[in-house]
Order: sequence, then structure tokens, then C-alpha cells
Amino acid sequence: KQEVTQIPAALSVPEGENLVLNCSFTDSAIYNLQWFRQDPGKGLTSLLLIQSSQREQTSGRLNASLDKSSGRSTLYIAASQPGDSATYLCAVTDNQGGKLIFGQGTELSVKP
Amino acid sequence: DGGITQSPKYLFRKEGQNVTLSCEQNLNHDAMYWYRQDPGQGLRLIYYSQIVNDFQKGDIAEGYSVSREKKESFPLTVTSAQKNPTAFYLCASSIGTALNSPLHFGNGTRLTVT
Repeated sequence: KQEVTQIPAALSVPEGENLVLNCSFTDSAIYNLQWFRQDPGKGLTSLLLIQSSQREQTSGRLNASLDKSSGRSTLYIAASQPGDSATYLCAVTDNQGGKLIFGQGTELSVKP
Repeated sequence: DGGITQSPKYLFRKEGQNVTLSCEQNLNHDAMYWYRQDPGQGLRLIYYSQIVNDFQKGDIAEGYSVSREKKESFPLTVTSAQKNPTAFYLCASSIGTALNSPLHFGNGTRLTVT
């Protein structure tokens, strides 16, 4: 059974720092991996989607990488800003029924 | 503006009552999903529908029911059989299946059952 883990559960950094959020999954037979952002009390916003054949995707200050063989993905945020404060979740789409399996999320706080 | 609308934002019910959560989308998406989110846990799939008049159980369907009579609407009923219904419920949609298109989420409904 696929399991997705995100460590750490919470992270606090000063403004301007570059940072990396981690996501690991137990079964490498995935179709794609998505990173989402969730603000308190809100729904999720899709940030990046990486197909299993891709190694990375970039959008602005965000860069997501995927290493299927090791079951890992990272979300790199450059020059962090207080507005980046949110919970970041990763999810993998399995090859069977196409369902998303989510990690628990990393709560990021960027201090001014 | 296209998007997904969930209503109400907050919902309070007494134990033993059924309650229906609304989800409407004007994105012309074929697939719709219901997730449940509990503190410290990832989202868990309740039900999903890839086409009108068809839906499948997710990982935690017990105590829930859905319908998909229109493409735009995918209401979720939390029945009295659901043992622990207090949670944050999120509706999502996608153009195709999650195999090839990102999910778009509504802003959620927080259900409290006492």
C-alpha cells in the first residue's frame, strides 16, 4: 500500500532564506506527483505537477524535483517571503485507479 | 470567474442527523472528488466521479453517500452511520482523471457534529 510521508511537519525560517521541503513515497509505481499549497481554513492550490517521466518542474521561485527510484521529491523555494507561509502537501497518483495519495503536509512559517 | 464553490463554509449538526454538503463547479470538468481532512493527517478520498451518473467509493466511503446527476454538481451526504463525522471536507475537480490533470479544490466545509 502506497504511503506518502512529509518531514518535517513544521518549519520556521527567516525571510529571504532558500528552503527545501521533502516528500517520500514507498511505491515507485506512480503516474505523477503534485505539490499543493493550503492556506489556513482554505482549499488546496496546485503548485506543480511532475509526470513520472520528468525529473523536475519549475514555476517562478518554486522548483520541484522527482526521483522515482528512491521514492523522493523535493520542493525548493527560493528567496522565501512571509507570503509563502502556508501548509505544503505532496500527493502521488497511483498507477492503478488514478487516485491521489496525500502526505500529511509541512507547515511553513516565514518570519519577516 | 470559474471555480469550485462549496457551501456552507461552516456546518453544525446534532448527532444522528444526516447532512448534505454542496459542491458546484463551473469549470466544465468531468471528474469530481470528495476528500476529508483531519488535523495532522493527509487528505483521504471519500468518493469520486469521473462522469455524470457514475461514481466510485474511495478509501473511506463508509457512512457517506453521493450523487452525480449533473456535471456541475457533486453533493456529499454525511449519514448518521458515519462514526466520526466532525472534519474539514474538501471537494475537487479535474478536466480528466488525476492521471493527467491537476486537481482544483474548493475552499472546504468545516462540519461539526455534537
